[in-house]
Amino acid sequence: AQSVAQPEDQVNVAEGNPLTVKCTYSVSGNPYLFWYVQYPNRGLQFLLKYITGDNLVKGSYGFEAEFNKSQTSFHLKKPSALVSDSALYFCAVSSNTGGFKTIFGAGTRLFVKA
Amino acid sequence: DARVTQTPRHKVTEMGQEVTMRCQPILGHNTVFWYRQTMMQGLELLAYFRNRAPLDDSGMPKDRFSAEMPDATLATLKIQPSEPRDSAVYFCASGETPNYGYTFGSGTRLTVV
Repeated sequence: AQSVAQPEDQVNVAEGNPLTVKCTYSVSGNPYLFWYVQYPNRGLQFLLKYITGDNLVKGSYGFEAEFNKSQTSFHLKKPSALVSDSALYFCAVSSNTGGFKTIFGAGTRLFVKA
Repeated sequence: DARVTQTPRHKVTEMGQEVTMRCQPILGHNTVFWYRQTMMQGLELLAYFRNRAPLDDSGMPKDRFSAEMPDATLATLKIQPSEPRDSAVYFCASGETPNYGYTFGSGTRLTVV
């Protein structure tokens, strides 16, 4: 069975500092990994994905994520946080053996303080 | 930009009433998901379709929920009878296979009183 864990309910960071939002996963077969962001009263927006290839993937709004197969992790990062990055972030996983059913983590709320 | 359209945006109904939520996926997308979001449970997968065929609805309470895709431009999620515990935001998402990331609708906020 697929599962996703986001160990932090909330991450606080000062504007201009680097940020990391953590995600670990469990899946049979090859993982397809995703990050989405949700702003208040909105649907989720796709940020980036890892399917294959380079372990460091770059996405929208300056975000990037690093796939680590041995640690089964896919942490979201940004070198310099903005106040406007404050939102709810979801990690998601699917696989080619799971019919591409996509399971989401519980979400991590990011607060960026000016 | 192409987008997933969900109607209604908000719905308040009395317990026991039937509720129908609609989703228009992006043209050409062959996979459609229904998710439910609550504070307590987070994002729960209710059902998903590929090429209009249901692939998995194990996350859905079968006695009261039903999901269908009568055609490629419409997905529906019905609750009959509705209960207060069904109060949540229901999201539809569509995409292509294999999975390159999905586009979510703005959601239907359901309140059952």
